[in-house]
Amino acid sequence: AQTVTQSQPEMSVQEAETVTLSCTYDTSESDYYLFWYKQPPSRQMILVIRQEAYKQQNATENRFSVNFQKAAKSFSLKISDSQLGDAAMYFCAYGDRDDKIIFGKGTRLHILP
Amino acid sequence: GAGVSQSPSNKVTEKGKDVELRCDPISGHTALYWYRQSLGQGLEFLIYFQGNSAPDKSGLPSDRFSAERTGGSVSTLTIQRTQQEDSAVYLCASSLPTNEKLFFGSGTQLSVL
Repeated sequence: AQTVTQSQPEMSVQEAETVTLSCTYDTSESDYYLFWYKQPPSRQMILVIRQEAYKQQNATENRFSVNFQKAAKSFSLKISDSQLGDAAMYFCAYGDRDDKIIFGKGTRLHILP
Repeated sequence: GAGVSQSPSNKVTEKGKDVELRCDPISGHTALYWYRQSLGQGLEFLIYFQGNSAPDKSGLPSDRFSAERTGGSVSTLTIQRTQQEDSAVYLCASSLPTNEKLFFGSGTQLSVL
């Protein structure tokens, strides 16, 4: 069965600095999707970034970028120029084509002013 | 509607009672997911629907949990004979199609006394 592991329960970063959140996954599939979702205190889940496994190029969305290492089954999220509004729980997620999406246990990110 | 709607937003019930949680997805979204989030924890997959069919029910914790979806739209998650360990936030999400961006509702906070 597929699994998603986030090994950092909590992280802190100074405002304006860069932070990287780790995620590893396990699958025997070759065609799948990976996601990072953000959950602020409001509890509303927000998609941060999405990566298709067949694309070698790392996805980017403004200050957010990923380092996708398919062979290593690693999918880390880099947040540049951290802002106070980035404080949230961040969830890594995995989905097979046409199948369920499963989530890791999350990393709580604190931004220090 | 404009987004995924879940009702009620909060539900307090007594141990042993049955509860029904409702999810109204974005119109036209073919995939619908239910997740459970215990306090400060990750998202636990419960079940997902493609149209009215549920290809994967493996996440349902026990036979007290059931879900249905009618007309390819509204879904209901039913918990029979609730237990205190059922207390959690139940999140619903929809997408078009699977493995595209998930749109989440605000969740139902269930408290079993």
